Amino acid sequence: GQNIDQPTEMTATEGAIVQINCTYQTSGFNGLFWYQQHAGEAPTFLSYNVLDGLEEKGRFSSFLSRSKGYSYLLLKELQMKDSASYLCAVIDSNYQLIWGAGTKLIIKP
Amino acid sequence: DVKVTQSSRYLVKRTGEKVFLECVQDMDHENMFWYRQDPGLGLRLIYFSYDVKMKEKGDIPEGYSVSREKKERFSLILESASTNQTSMYLCASSLSGAYYQPQHFGDGTRLSIL
Repeated sequence: GQNIDQPTEMTATEGAIVQINCTYQTSGFNGLFWYQQHAGEAPTFLSYNVLDGLEEKGRFSSFLSRSKGYSYLLLKELQMKDSASYLCAVIDSNYQLIWGAGTKLIIKP
Repeated sequence: DVKVTQSSRYLVKRTGEKVFLECVQDMDHENMFWYRQDPGLGLRLIYFSYDVKMKEKGDIPEGYSVSREKKERFSLILESASTNQTSMYLCASSLSGAYYQPQHFGDGTRLSIL
């Protein structure tokens, strides 16, 4: 079966750095998305990775290792507004999106 | 700016009722999707559509149907609502022709079936 694993919940301190991991076992791979979802709001697109390596976008970076079936989202200089759920999703060999359950990130002052 | 609008943020219905959830996008996207989101589970695809009057079953289509009469509008129908359909429903749209195009989501409809 197809599976995506993310930690259920993480806590970090304002101003710090946090890494949210995502591991996947899917039938094929055609890319990985990260989305941010604030409570009661729509998920919004953060990043797309299809090649190995790190992609940086301001305070947020996303890393992919296809051989390890692993990705992480790195958030730097955390702000209170970063409190949200972070969703990992993989495009499989049939070009279908497989979603993880999401990681709820709590930022404390 | 991209906009996907769902008709209701909160909805309460009774068991056995026929329920309509509406979604409209203003981006001229070909693809539209309906998901449900439950605690501890990833987004689960109910139905999707690649074009007007086209529909494809997702992972959990049982108890649901859809309608896409116009490109901008995609409706989800609960034929006879049941309590296990209490959930958050999310609509999304995306451009066709490139699977790496991100999906754009509405704010969701929190549906309670009593």
